[in-house]
Amino acid sequence: ELKVEQNPLFLSMQEGKNYTIYCNYSTTSDRLYWYRQDPGKSLESLFVLLSNGAVKQEGRLMASLDTKARLSTLHITAAVHDLSATYFCAVDMTLRSQGNLIFGKGTKLSVKP
Amino acid sequence: GAVVSQHPSWVICKSGTSVKIECRSLDFQATTMFWYRQFPKQSLMLMATSNEGSKATYEQGVEKDKFLINHASLTLSTLTVTSAHPEDSSFYICSARITSGIYEQYFGPGTRLTVT
Repeated sequence: ELKVEQNPLFLSMQEGKNYTIYCNYSTTSDRLYWYRQDPGKSLESLFVLLSNGAVKQEGRLMASLDTKARLSTLHITAAVHDLSATYFCAVDMTLRSQGNLIFGKGTKLSVKP
Repeated sequence: GAVVSQHPSWVICKSGTSVKIECRSLDFQATTMFWYRQFPKQSLMLMATSNEGSKATYEQGVEKDKFLINHASLTLSTLTVTSAHPEDSSFYICSARITSGIYEQYFGPGTRLTVT
């Protein structure tokens, strides 16, 4: 059974600080996704990581994937209040990426002034 | 970009009644759509995979007779919650998968269901 574990589950940061969210998964996967969810809203796609060593950056967020370690990271640089949200990683564990995503429990990020 | 809509965005219904939620891909065709449920402060749980023109595939523990899924066209899937109970109150999110490129899923805005 595929398991996807995120940590930490809660993260309170000060503005300007850096931090990393970790996503471990338990079996081989085709691809890994990072999403952002604001309260009462649906998911916003942040990154799709397709291969070992993939690194993507958008603004203050950078995601990476190590398929050998079955680990993805979401690094936050110089956090700002607007980044406060819940971040989910999700793993597609099906052959040929049929789309059955397994989500981590999410990391609730709170950025304080 | 690919847009997925859901209707209604929120609904309140009485116990014992049925509610239908629509999921549409607005600017692309989706042979596969997915239905997720999210309880407060929890993650998303896949309920079922909806394939156009065939029966949905339900995840373990999801009652297929209670959560009826129909995918009658390449742009529309519906989820009907039958004989709703308060424990069915949740946030229901659909997604649609583009069948080209990297086969990414695009998520709808969600439907908040409250059963009184």
